[in-house]
Amino acid sequence: EIVLTQSPGTPSLSPGERATLSCRASQSVSSNYLAWYQHKPGQAPRLLIYAASSRPTGIPDRFSGSGSGTDFTLTISRLEPEDFAVYFCQQYGSSPLTFGGGTKVEIK
Amino acid sequence: QLQLQESGPGLVKPSETLSLTCSISGYSISSGYYWGWIRQPPGKGLEWIGSIYHSGSTYYNPSLKSRVTISVDTSKNQFSLKLSSVTAADTAVYHCAASYYPKDKFDYWGQGTLVTVSS
Repeated sequence: EIVLTQSPGTPSLSPGERATLSCRASQSVSSNYLAWYQHKPGQAPRLLIYAASSRPTGIPDRFSGSGSGTDFTLTISRLEPEDFAVYFCQQYGSSPLTFGGGTKVEIK
Repeated sequence: QLQLQESGPGLVKPSETLSLTCSISGYSISSGYYWGWIRQPPGKGLEWIGSIYHSGSTYYNPSLKSRVTISVDTSKNQFSLKLSSVTAADTAVYHCAASYYPKDKFDYWGQGTLVTVSS
């Protein structure tokens, strides 16, 4: 199975700053089928990015995804107060579906 | 708007069977989507358990396949998870979710329910 490793662990950032989150796969993700989610305590996770760089309808354009093969990045261009949360990646190019361990973006 | 809500016992004894139900609102279970279960043990990452189509076709994570049964009840617009022979390692927040294909991203999630395995 594909193991996804996320970094950095817990970045502390201020509103307005740029956040860059990494997701590295143990082997190439087929068709770059890599998704990113936002998860806040007590809430349902929210899909932010799919197919490495596509945004679902309704997701603000400050969220962007990039990368291919084994290295993927989620960028939040300017952090809003509501963006402080846990972010995790998921690959769906091969079975079993697997997830990264998550990165918690904290307020500095 | 499709919404998912998990329900079931929050405490299960070791060696017993964990049973959870996911209720779907705002969408018919038979209209499409694959319906899945995902869990997150405390302090660990998420793990896909398996998914089912309304026809009954199932897809399971090989690591759990021997203990997992996922089923649908179209009359109640629900689907369910049974995990047998549980141990403390099965303590986790269990989410139900919806994906358009069996190998896909999850477009909709429930908020999750904590199940603790303890005597």
